[in-house]
Amino acid sequence: DVKVTQSSRYLVKRTGEKVFLECVQDMDHENMFWYRQDPGLGLRLIYFSYDVKMKEKGDIPEGYSVSREKKERFSLILESASTNQTSMYLCASSPPARESAFFGQGTRLTVV
Amino acid sequence: QKEVEQNSGPLSVPEGAIASLNCTYSDRGSQSFFWYRQYSGKSPELIMSIYSNGDKEDGRFTAQLNKASQYVSLLIRDSQPSDSATYLCAVNSGGSNYKLTFGKGTLLTVNP
Repeated sequence: DVKVTQSSRYLVKRTGEKVFLECVQDMDHENMFWYRQDPGLGLRLIYFSYDVKMKEKGDIPEGYSVSREKKERFSLILESASTNQTSMYLCASSPPARESAFFGQGTRLTVV
Repeated sequence: QKEVEQNSGPLSVPEGAIASLNCTYSDRGSQSFFWYRQYSGKSPELIMSIYSNGDKEDGRFTAQLNKASQYVSLLIRDSQPSDSATYLCAVNSGGSNYKLTFGKGTLLTVNP
């Protein structure tokens, strides 16, 4: 089975802090994604990566950056956390071509 | 902006009935279509994928795709209370890099 593991299930951070969310997958997938999910807004793509050191902006990249130094690991960075970044963050990975994505368990981030 | 539309629900059906979930998408170039199930507080899990026009059956689930109408649906036969969840439609619009666009989901409640 594909396993996508996010480093934290719950996280509370203060406004202005730099926040790192880590994601690791064990299936040698080329593609990795970061989404946030908010009530009424659904899943929105923040960034995705299709190869090591390669990244593309998704629909809502503002206030976020990413890092992919190794194929299995994709990090989401909140440069200066704000209360409007309180959300559920979901990491996913997928092989290339037409296949579906597999999700981690999610990190519920609260910024106070 | 590529869009995926779903009725938000809630859709309520009695136990044993057929639940019908619908999804439309805007990008005619879309190549792959997926249904995810998401229980409250959990991450999405893949339940069906479909790539060509017609029906695809897997146990109690049937996915239907009509590319001419840009429409994909999910039928759940013999609905069970354990099927109560939010169902997310996801579409891969193809291209050189893989990227999924999600609908906002339909909340299904199966009443015993």
